[in-house]
Amino acid sequence: SYVLTQPPSVSVAPGQTARITCGGTNIGSTSVHWYQQKPGQAPVLVVYDDDDRPSGIPERFSGSNSGNTATLTISKVEAGDEADFYCHVWHSATDHVVFGGGTKLTVL
Amino acid sequence: EMQLLESGGGFIEPGGSLRLSCGASGFTFSRHAMSWVRQVPGKGLEWVSVITGSGALTYYADSVKGRFTISRDNSKDILYLQMNSLTAEDTAIYYCAKDRDTLAYGDSFDSWGQGTQVTVSS
Repeated sequence: SYVLTQPPSVSVAPGQTARITCGGTNIGSTSVHWYQQKPGQAPVLVVYDDDDRPSGIPERFSGSNSGNTATLTISKVEAGDEADFYCHVWHSATDHVVFGGGTKLTVL
Repeated sequence: EMQLLESGGGFIEPGGSLRLSCGASGFTFSRHAMSWVRQVPGKGLEWVSVITGSGALTYYADSVKGRFTISRDNSKDILYLQMNSLTAEDTAIYYCAKDRDTLAYGDSFDSWGQGTQVTVSS
């Protein structure tokens, strides 16, 4: 089965840039999506198709995807960005959705 | 505004069955694939199943294949998940989620319900 690997946690000071990675074999050949989930809430799509943002998502959220790593970048981090973040791909070889294990973003 | 509202969760004994529903509004339901995703509180997201807009194609996670059945009623804008032979490992919050684009399936999820808790215990 296809595995997506995320760091369990990332910490960053307010105003700095947070980068959350999602590793998978040749992940650059498929579209990656990212979700933010705050405690007690459903996930919210923040980046889709590697680097597109849904309406209403701040420009501070951006994505990239190449080789074996996709990255979600959050610039000028705010306290309100603190949440769990998940990457997501559709694995066409198995017709399965795959989620990464999730990364807890802590704003120091 | 797109809205998804799950119902049908609850407390069930091992080996039992439960049917979840997800009512949709604010978009053309029949044009979008729909998925179920579950999450044990404090743990990560686990995809369960997807169904295409027409209902012609369905796919399942290995952990539920043969026990769960996804279906939809496009005349009522409702998504279902029939869960049989439930075990403690199926205990989770179950979310329904909508594919962002009108592709067959495999897109991002741009709308999620609030989730319904399923607890399997004796």
